[in-house]
Amino acid sequence: EAGVAQSPRYKIIEKRQSVAFWCNPISGHATLYWYQQILGQGPKLLIQFQNNGVVDDSQLPKDRFSAERLKGVDSTLKIQPAKLEDSAVYLCASSFGGQGGGLAGRYNEQFFGPGTRLTVL
Amino acid sequence: AQKITQTQPGMFVQEKEAVTLDCTYDTSDQSYGLFWYKQPSSGEMIFLIYQGSYDEQNATEGRYSLNFQKARKSANLVISASQLGDSAMYFCAMRTPGSSNTGKLIFGQGTTLQVKP
Repeated sequence: EAGVAQSPRYKIIEKRQSVAFWCNPISGHATLYWYQQILGQGPKLLIQFQNNGVVDDSQLPKDRFSAERLKGVDSTLKIQPAKLEDSAVYLCASSFGGQGGGLAGRYNEQFFGPGTRLTVL
Repeated sequence: AQKITQTQPGMFVQEKEAVTLDCTYDTSDQSYGLFWYKQPSSGEMIFLIYQGSYDEQNATEGRYSLNFQKARKSANLVISASQLGDSAMYFCAMRTPGSSNTGKLIFGQGTTLQVKP
């Protein structure tokens, strides 16, 4: 079974430029997550999709970040314009997204992609 | 508010010895899940072990075990017989209620483990 795919793996841009990241989740996974991981910190959830709908974007800086998952499969995260503090690894994850299991079960475990390392100069 | 705390920024361990990485959590929810992930320098998050809040037995996965003390709200990771390939960043995470049935993961700050030959 193929894992979560992300591209590009690395990106260097100058501040005020725009950039886009792509994620293809595991086949059949309804839930897709984008995380931002600043160097030396744990990942922070930016946005969560259930199929093609947004269920949580409370920590997404909406003035410059946007994300879409138009057909409920792959997703794109965009930053426009980029700032120096956006330098980070952007991780995509997916999970089955079913109704069972509850929070205390391992059901709906998240599987992570390799990440995109963004450097803003 | 839910929170994960990892108080050890860096740890050293001698090859073949055991090491414990600390994790404490804060939640008022009864139903939650605790995860440990390994993140090597290549960047991917590798799942290691899981403990559900209702699990009475401590979880084990090969050389990894989770010392779950619910009353103390701690979920320490124990790695036995450390190997050089265990050198990486380790994250503790908690799944808490989110905006969907799948909940959301919140992560600690991580612990860097260095295994010495």
